[in-house]
Amino acid sequence: DAKTTQPPSMDCAEGRAANLPCNHSTISGNEYVYWYRQIHSQGPQYIIHGLKNNETNEMASLIITEDRKSSTLILPHATLRDTAVYYCIVRDKAAGNKLTFGGGTRVLVKP
Amino acid sequence: DAGVIQSPRHEVTEMGQEVTLRCKPISGHDYLFWYRQTMMRGLELLIYFNNNVPIDDSGMPEDRFSAKMPNASFSTLKIQPSEPRDSAVYFCASSYSGSANEQFFGPGTRLTVL
Repeated sequence: DAKTTQPPSMDCAEGRAANLPCNHSTISGNEYVYWYRQIHSQGPQYIIHGLKNNETNEMASLIITEDRKSSTLILPHATLRDTAVYYCIVRDKAAGNKLTFGGGTRVLVKP
Repeated sequence: DAGVIQSPRHEVTEMGQEVTLRCKPISGHDYLFWYRQTMMRGLELLIYFNNNVPIDDSGMPEDRFSAKMPNASFSTLKIQPSEPRDSAVYFCASSYSGSANEQFFGPGTRLTVL
């Protein structure tokens, strides 16, 4: 699976949009981009995934660049409960169901 | 559904003892994963099963670790003998192949080996 690069940490203000970047310059055509988050002392939680098109669900939006070499997870209105480590993962569905977690981005939402 | 259930939630044991961690996946899910999380190494996949069959155990650190899935609703991860460096949080997750392959994680077992 392709490697991802994320900033180690970022702060954002409560009520504002949080934009979390991820670089995956070696992504191949069959690989999907997945986002998970891990709130302190809990197991990781699935947020969203996509292949080429932008995706939106009740938690977040995923914007994937046209060349697919990077993506951005958008939390539209960050709350204090969104404080967590966010993981961007690239995965080839045809290669099995493994997820390889990197270091992620530690997001702190401040009042 | 109650989600993925893990037991015990906390385990403190002494070096050399056998440790057994348990997991009950979400009903209907056909994949089960065991992960380990430490500060030094982050979140690592140890092994995963599909339809109760081990598919990839390349992440299992050594022969002291073994995992079984005797049926679709139960799995164990055993460490024998345990060592202090095995101290970590162990997560179990399950997923359904017919969906987005979203993995649902349990609350984890915090293992401390003294």
